[in-house]
Amino acid sequence: ETGVTQSPTHLIKTRGQQVTLRCSSQSGHNTVSWYQQALGQGPQFIFQYYREEENGRGNFPPRFSGLQFPNYSSELNVNALELDDSALYLCASSYRDRVGEQYFGPGTRLTVT
Amino acid sequence: DAKTTQPNSMESNEEEPVHLPCNHSTISGTDYIHWYRQLPSQGPEYVIHGLTSNVNNRMASLAIAEDRKSSTLILHRATLRDAAVYYCILRPRRDDKIIFGKGTRLHILP
Repeated sequence: ETGVTQSPTHLIKTRGQQVTLRCSSQSGHNTVSWYQQALGQGPQFIFQYYREEENGRGNFPPRFSGLQFPNYSSELNVNALELDDSALYLCASSYRDRVGEQYFGPGTRLTVT
Repeated sequence: DAKTTQPNSMESNEEEPVHLPCNHSTISGTDYIHWYRQLPSQGPEYVIHGLTSNVNNRMASLAIAEDRKSSTLILHRATLRDAAVYYCILRPRRDDKIIFGKGTRLHILP
């Protein structure tokens, strides 16, 4: 059974640029959630995708957007990067009817300079 | 959203049981209690969850108070690998979000 994978592992971008982060869900999981984790803080919920549609969103501006593909993989896009967007971005997958049991990937470390 | 209160940090000795407390006095009747942990430099890991009854799995046990206003995660025999931040989370039954707080940083002493 393949776990959740994320790419890239690390990324450095400049303020104002755009970034796309990718996530492959665990085999069979149909729901993907994205989180932002600043240094020393707990993960903050960004949004969740199910059946290729956004299914809930946290307190993040519209420049944070996502996609889910038919194979349940997902992308997180962030436009107009700001310095405060520097964080670890985590992807988690789950079954729709067991959404409390989420399986996390290792994350993508984004640095905005 | 109902909130949880956890100690900032705890210490325990290797090979001894660990009891991690969580207070959630404003819990509602349909809130699930979830525990996740995050080892250094890794994503969070699901540990266990429950609603009203105590729960056991291969990783830990969850003891839920009769009034549900508190719960305790029990690691039966701590190892150095159990050193992590442990998050106690309430999730309403109809809510698909997992909302993390600050958690308890558990240190295991050899």
